[in-house]
Amino acid sequence: EVQLVESGGGLVQPGGSLGLSCAASGFTFSTYWMSWVRQAPGKGLEWVASINQDGNEKYYVDSVKGRFTISRDNSKNSLFLQMISLRAEDTAVYYCARAPYGSGSCYYMDVWGKGTTVTVSS
Amino acid sequence: DIVMTQSPDSLAVSLGERATINCKSSQSVLYTSNSKNYLAWYQQKPGQPPKVLIYWASTRESGVPDRFSGSGSGSDFTLTISSLQAEDVAVYYCQQYLSPLSTFGQGTKLEIK
Repeated sequence: EVQLVESGGGLVQPGGSLGLSCAASGFTFSTYWMSWVRQAPGKGLEWVASINQDGNEKYYVDSVKGRFTISRDNSKNSLFLQMISLRAEDTAVYYCARAPYGSGSCYYMDVWGKGTTVTVSS
Repeated sequence: DIVMTQSPDSLAVSLGERATINCKSSQSVLYTSNSKNYLAWYQQKPGQPPKVLIYWASTRESGVPDRFSGSGSGSDFTLTISSLQAEDVAVYYCQQYLSPLSTFGQGTKLEIK
């Protein structure tokens, strides 16, 4: 079964740091583009970052550039999001999502995890 | 960035009736080189992650009931549910993926009248 399982969410103070992980299973992780998408409480979806198969091509939404870093470890079938200088507006459920096989940098997401919650508050 | 605007924000439809949700992009998401519209539709039920319904504006994802259909081209798109079922109550989002900096619409909440 194709599965994405996020972890690492929690409560962090403004200005703090947090690292999220996404464990992939049921497919050949190293051959897919991957993304993080977030959803603030009661709000819509916001794409956050994407990374290619080799990890050498990355994209970020403007609001997180310089603060968030997307990375992957294909040997461990894992996707990561390192977040620093966190703000209240970063509070959200963070979803790990996969691109369809064969996609380039422009893709919809065909598999989603259940999400992990990040709360930035003092 | 490409801005996606959905209408209406919320919609109440009777069971068995048609539901129509619109999505407009601030610039065309039609890539003329391959004649594909880089537009997807998602369904999100409470407490669940989004689920893709439609991609390339009109291609139904495997396993999605055929009462769901997508249409449109360029900057104007529509998601239609031909005969609303109780399990279709959800929030629906459109997404453009013409750019690597993907963007979503604000969502349309669909309820039963």
